[in-house]
Amino acid sequence: GENVEQHPSTLSVQEGDSAVIKCTYSDSASNYFPWYKQELGKRPQLIIDIRSNVGEKKDQRIAVTLNKTAKHFSLHITETQPEDSAVYFCAASGSARQLTFGSGTQLTVLP
Amino acid sequence: DTEVTQTPKHLVMGMTNKKSLKCEQHMGHRAMYWYKQKAKKPPELMFVYSYEKLSINESVPSRFSPECPNSSLLNLHLHALQPEDSALYLCASSIPGELFFGEGSRLTVL
Repeated sequence: GENVEQHPSTLSVQEGDSAVIKCTYSDSASNYFPWYKQELGKRPQLIIDIRSNVGEKKDQRIAVTLNKTAKHFSLHITETQPEDSAVYFCAASGSARQLTFGSGTQLTVLP
Repeated sequence: DTEVTQTPKHLVMGMTNKKSLKCEQHMGHRAMYWYKQKAKKPPELMFVYSYEKLSINESVPSRFSPECPNSSLLNLHLHALQPEDSALYLCASSIPGELFFGEGSRLTVL
């Protein structure tokens, strides 16, 4: 089955700096890669996703890049703000059409 | 309507109780899921219903019993739970690969 590894597990950045979270996946048949943000006590919220037919997608301060050859994808957050502090999960949808989640990254944006 | 609605939001139960968690969606999605999530850990898949039939059961103990009465509703029946079952239980529905989570039911087992 699919295996998704996510790094780092914790990340602290100064407000205004950029944050990058990286994930690798194992199933070459995976074709959908969402990122979820989960604030304390709340549900995971989809913030951006990318499909295997594109290499990069951007939505305001958030971007995701995908390297299918290397089987890794990354989340980039620019001009970070305190409200970006949360746990972020990557995921991959493999041949079984189920999402496999990474282990999560606790992002803290320091004011 | 783009919501997955879960009730109750909070539930406290003893180890001998029987309770149920309920989930409803009206997006016409034909796949519905139950996930269990511990604090700061990723959601763990428990059950998948596809077209109202149980398609995946990830070796979940029998004290958890899912039910899908129709394409919009999903229940999780709880009986004889253990304290380690305390967690956030998330319902989700999907089109292929894209999950829409409910707000979750926070369960505490005493």
